[in-house]
Amino acid sequence: AQSVSQHNHHVILSEAASLELGCNYSYGGTVNLFWYVQYPGQHLQLLLKYFSGDPLVKGIKGFEAEFIKSKFSFNLRKPSVQWSDTAEYFCAVNPSSGDKLTFGTGTRLAVRP
Amino acid sequence: DTGVSQDPRHKITKRGQNVTFRCDPISEHNRLYWYRQTLGQGPEFLTYFQNEAQLEKSRLLSDRFSAERPKGSFSTLEIQRTEQGDSAMYLCASSSDRLTGPQHFGDGTRLSIL
Repeated sequence: AQSVSQHNHHVILSEAASLELGCNYSYGGTVNLFWYVQYPGQHLQLLLKYFSGDPLVKGIKGFEAEFIKSKFSFNLRKPSVQWSDTAEYFCAVNPSSGDKLTFGTGTRLAVRP
Repeated sequence: DTGVSQDPRHKITKRGQNVTFRCDPISEHNRLYWYRQTLGQGPEFLTYFQNEAQLEKSRLLSDRFSAERPKGSFSTLEIQRTEQGDSAMYLCASSSDRLTGPQHFGDGTRLSIL
């Protein structure tokens, strides 16, 4: 069975700071990787996804993530955060041959204006 | 924007009562998923349907839980004889019939057991 680890549970940054959220997964086969974001009071929204090809994936709102297969990692990055990025971020994985998503425990990001 | 719709948004009930939640997926999506999320955790998979067929059930889904998707459209999740530990946010998601289609989530139903 697959598992996902998100190392940072709470992150506090000032506006314009750079962001990197860690995500590592455990699974023996080929996987699809996702980052979802949940803004306060809203539903989970897809930020970006990786299925195959270029390991550097660009998503919405200036976010990107890099898949490093040798490290089983899929870290999320943004060069300069904004107050509106305050949200909870979830890394998720599913096997390429399967459907169900396995989520990490999430990282709460607070951006100070 | 017709996203995934869940009803009700909140449900408060006494322990031992039965509850039923409804999920309406995005209309062209034929895969539908149920997840449960508790405080401080990410969503945990419960079950999923392709059209009307329930293809996988998690061990989290005890005998008190049942899910249906008649005619491959909306889905219901019923919990019988609710317990304190059932208090959680129940999330529904849908995706298109392509293995690379991402899942789109609804707002969830928050269940509180008194």
